[in-house]
Amino acid sequence: EAGVTQFPSHSVIEKGQTVTLRCDPISGHDNLYWYRRVMGKEIKFLLHFVKESKQDESGMPNNRFLAERTGGTYSTLKVQPAELEDSGVYFCASSQETGPYEQYFGPGTRLTVT
Amino acid sequence: AQSVAQPEDQVNVAEGNPLTVKCTYSVSGNPYLFWYVQYPNRGLQFLLKYITGDNLVKGSYGFEAEFNKSQTSFHLKKPSALVSDSALYFCAVRGYTGGFKTIFGAGTRLFVKA
Repeated sequence: EAGVTQFPSHSVIEKGQTVTLRCDPISGHDNLYWYRRVMGKEIKFLLHFVKESKQDESGMPNNRFLAERTGGTYSTLKVQPAELEDSGVYFCASSQETGPYEQYFGPGTRLTVT
Repeated sequence: AQSVAQPEDQVNVAEGNPLTVKCTYSVSGNPYLFWYVQYPNRGLQFLLKYITGDNLVKGSYGFEAEFNKSQTSFHLKKPSALVSDSALYFCAVRGYTGGFKTIFGAGTRLFVKA
């Protein structure tokens, strides 16, 4: 069974540019989560999809961030325009069910905004 | 509000010695508690979880964790550390606050010396 994959693994962009991160969850997992870890700090929740619907987007920092999950399969997270404070590692995770179930994480996308 | 604290940025232990990585949490209601491990250039991997029942939970790679409700702690332990256990460890709590959201600690880096 393939795990959660994320693309790209690294991205370096200039302030003001746009970047789109992609996550492919484990096949059959309806729940998809985005998280972000800024250097040395806790992993922060961004949002949660159930299939193609946003279940909880309370962690999205501001309206420069847009997440989509068309068709309930892969998801994209777009940052437009990027700011310096957006730098960090963006993790995607998926799970089959909600509730007390472990999540399966992708390797993350390291975003550097210069 | 839910929160997780990992009071140690780094834990150093000699191979063969017991290890403990500390975690305390704050959540309303019954907590679901998790430990994840991250190896370099990899995503987080699930180690173990506490949902209910026996306070001592056993997980992958010989790790275990003890749930202590009165101290609101969920410390990760292993009786005999291996060099290969060196990694970044994250404690997480998942509780229902209108939706299931997982809150992570800042992580503890474990160094095991040969």
